[in-house]
Amino acid sequence: DAGVTQSPTHLIKTRGQHVTLRCSPISGHKSVSWYQQVLGQGPQFIFQYYEKEERGRGNFPDRFSARQFPNYSSELNVNALLLGDSALYLCASSSVPDRSQPQHFGDGTRLSIL
Amino acid sequence: KNQVEQSPQSLIILEGKNCTLQCNYTVSPFSNLRWYKQDTGRGPVSLTIMTFSENTKSNGRYTATLDADTKQSSLHITASQLSDSASYICVVGRASGGSYIPTFGRGTSLIVHP
Repeated sequence: DAGVTQSPTHLIKTRGQHVTLRCSPISGHKSVSWYQQVLGQGPQFIFQYYEKEERGRGNFPDRFSARQFPNYSSELNVNALLLGDSALYLCASSSVPDRSQPQHFGDGTRLSIL
Repeated sequence: KNQVEQSPQSLIILEGKNCTLQCNYTVSPFSNLRWYKQDTGRGPVSLTIMTFSENTKSNGRYTATLDADTKQSSLHITASQLSDSASYICVVGRASGGSYIPTFGRGTSLIVHP
């Protein structure tokens, strides 16, 4: 079975542009979470979605938004890009957003802002 | 403030030796504690998950402990292998308004030399 897949793997944008990152969860998983990992640091929680509804939100500005589709795939959108948005964006899926369920991560999208 | 602190920041050991990584947290209310292994350029992979009532959990050569009273956890790696070279991340989850919010540590970078 395929794991969590993210696209694109790498992306270069300039300040002020917007970007859309995509994530396909493991088949059968209904919960998707998004994380930002700046170089040399641990990931930071951005959003969690379950059954197409937002279930959790981290401390990120409104420039960050996300949605989950009926097939449980998800998109992360970032508007008005800043240099500080350069990071590895990780998506993780689980069967349900339960504290005992392991999260399975994709290998991320490396976003560089020039 | 909800924080997760890991130590040491980096560690170099010889193949075959044991090592212990530390995690202290101030996250509240506590939901669970997870340890992940992250290889360079890849997404994190779950090693262990522990809830409040569990004080030890093993996964092969990896053993995690949890002391919920002192808010400390450790990850012990036995008979290290070259493939153990990676970043090890401690994640503490809290319950917030029906949502699960994870807080990540910055990770310990482990290098295993032959």
